[in-house]
Amino acid sequence: DAGITQSPRHKVTETGTPVTLRCHQTENHRYMYWYRQDPGHGLRLIHYSYGVKDTDKGEVSDGYSVSRSKTEDFLLTLESATSSQTSVYFCAISEKGDLSVTQYFGPGTRLTVL
Amino acid sequence: GDSVTQMEGPVTLSEEAFLTINCTYTATGYPSLFWYVQYPGEGLQLLLKATKADDKGSNKGFEATYRKETTSFHLEKGSVQVSDSAVYFCALSRIQGAQKLVFGQGTRLTINP
Repeated sequence: DAGITQSPRHKVTETGTPVTLRCHQTENHRYMYWYRQDPGHGLRLIHYSYGVKDTDKGEVSDGYSVSRSKTEDFLLTLESATSSQTSVYFCAISEKGDLSVTQYFGPGTRLTVL
Repeated sequence: GDSVTQMEGPVTLSEEAFLTINCTYTATGYPSLFWYVQYPGEGLQLLLKATKADDKGSNKGFEATYRKETTSFHLEKGSVQVSDSAVYFCALSRIQGAQKLVFGQGTRLTINP
């Protein structure tokens, strides 16, 4: 199994509070991704990183920011959480950005915003 | 924009039945196509993939063929087991430089003994 951990695994928070989710990898992969999973939508890309301090937006980036100060860590921040951000969040990594490369997924973080 | 459409679930089958989960896609150019599987309480893991037209991906008895003429990548297995119960996601990637996967909505499969 790819060495990917996510923390916390579960979080309940209130509307308007800031939340940071952490993804940590031990594979030294260059690319890291954040997805959210919602019923009826599959997974949708929020942000991704192609190197330290190099990040870009995905399909559903509004309300989210990211940071990557070290190869192994990719942080997802909800500056002011809203109920629409209740979801399961998955981190993924890949060694390269090629079309056919395999992405490896973490175990997920279940976030509930009340 | 790019999109992936999977057959509606949930799908319930008996053990040893034949499985087909339909997947069609919309994308310009020549995307790579994937099937990912998510077992209960876990993250996704790659099941199989195909990178060009007429390629067949296979793994653990599952197969899917990249059909450009019908823009499809249907997942099949000849004889399912209870352990195949999971959610299956079809996905594509098209843009080089960062693999931005576009997923279908997922199909929940339950196999009864």
